[in-house]
Amino acid sequence: NAGVTQTPKFRILKIGQSMTLQCTQDMNHNYMYWYRQDPGMGLKLIYYSVGAGITDKGEVPNGYNVSRSTTEDFPLRLELAAPSQTSVYFCASSFIQGYEQYFGPGTRLTVT
Amino acid sequence: TQLLEQSPQFLSIQEGENLTVYCNSSSVFSSLQWYRQEPGEGPVLLVTVVTGGEVKKLKRLTFQFGDARKDSSLHITAAQPGDTGLYLCAAIKAAGNKLTFGGGTRVLVKP
Repeated sequence: NAGVTQTPKFRILKIGQSMTLQCTQDMNHNYMYWYRQDPGMGLKLIYYSVGAGITDKGEVPNGYNVSRSTTEDFPLRLELAAPSQTSVYFCASSFIQGYEQYFGPGTRLTVT
Repeated sequence: TQLLEQSPQFLSIQEGENLTVYCNSSSVFSSLQWYRQEPGEGPVLLVTVVTGGEVKKLKRLTFQFGDARKDSSLHITAAQPGDTGLYLCAAIKAAGNKLTFGGGTRVLVKP
């Protein structure tokens, strides 16, 4: 069991570029989440999904898009990157919403 | 204003000392979780509390859920350098379904 895996670990983007952060889980969890964590802060929910084909906005969705075509994968797309999107991004999954969330190791993104 | 306020934001203590971290809100929660996050890694669940007044122990860590289910505390006895990390509380509002995280307390235990 690999749990939740994220790629890449690090990325530097120029303003206006786009990229996709990948997230895969092998625990057959229906629920998946994307968070961002700014330095010294807690986690803010960007988007979440309750199952394949179903996604919904979290607290800070602007500038991001997601898709969920399979149970395992939940990619996060950044269009037109901005310096305000410099952050560490965590993907997580859970068996039931509100129960223990399992986190990936994070992707550290810098936009300059 | 955050739904969950954690205090203090930062705590630096010597090995062997005790510490308490607080997680407060004006909302009632159906459940509350505590996570620890080490540098460069994702958070890992320590405990979930669901009943008002509930106390759970995990070795030297004691977690308490307030009687009114609006607040929680984490107490570490005889802290060790391995306890260093960011402690995050997260909770689901009563009649809600989304988990909200507090801002975290960064704990540094010096040898």
